[in-house]
Amino acid sequence: NAGVTQTPKFRILKIGQSMTLQCTQDMNHNYMYWYRQDPGMGLKLIYYSVGAGITDKGEVPNGYNVSRSTTEDFPLRLELAAPSQTSVYFCASSYLRGRDYEQYFGPGTRLTVT
Amino acid sequence: ELKVEQNPLFLSMQEGKNYTIYCNYSTTSDRLYWYRQDPGKSLESLFVLLSNGAVKQEGRLMASLDTKARLSTLHITAAVHDLSATYFCAVAAGGTSYGKLTFGQGTILTVHP
Repeated sequence: NAGVTQTPKFRILKIGQSMTLQCTQDMNHNYMYWYRQDPGMGLKLIYYSVGAGITDKGEVPNGYNVSRSTTEDFPLRLELAAPSQTSVYFCASSYLRGRDYEQYFGPGTRLTVT
Repeated sequence: ELKVEQNPLFLSMQEGKNYTIYCNYSTTSDRLYWYRQDPGKSLESLFVLLSNGAVKQEGRLMASLDTKARLSTLHITAAVHDLSATYFCAVAAGGTSYGKLTFGQGTILTVHP
């Protein structure tokens, strides 16, 4: 299993540009998440999904959109990039094992908006 | 709103010394996670604590959970340089959380010879 993969690894965007961050998992997990990590901070939840076709907002959703058409893929869309979106973005997936949602994190995408 | 606070945020230790990182959270939860992050890397799962009084140990690290005090600790015994990293605690809210996590700010640990 490749686990959780993210592309691209790095990206520089100009203000106002759009892009999609890709996330794929091959573990057949129902639950998927997008987090952002600003320098020197913990991760904050942007959006999450509990299954194909079902998504919901997290703590910091403004400026982002998501879709979940398949179990495997959970892309994150930035429509009008702003400098405040400069961050490292982590995708994660999980499944419910007993009372625990065992989490698997991707390697991250480092995004700079200038 | 669930808030998670860690302290200290920065920790400089000598090799061989012991220290504890504290993680306080604001609302009811009985699922707490500890992660390690090396510079430029993703998160590595260290411990999952799922009940009051849970204690887990791996090598020089030991984590515990007190759900009544809403407090978890990560104790480091006889620190070595390889433990230098950023450590995060994360909490899943009580009830049906769908695995959503709220993270602390992180503790940057540096171990000196």
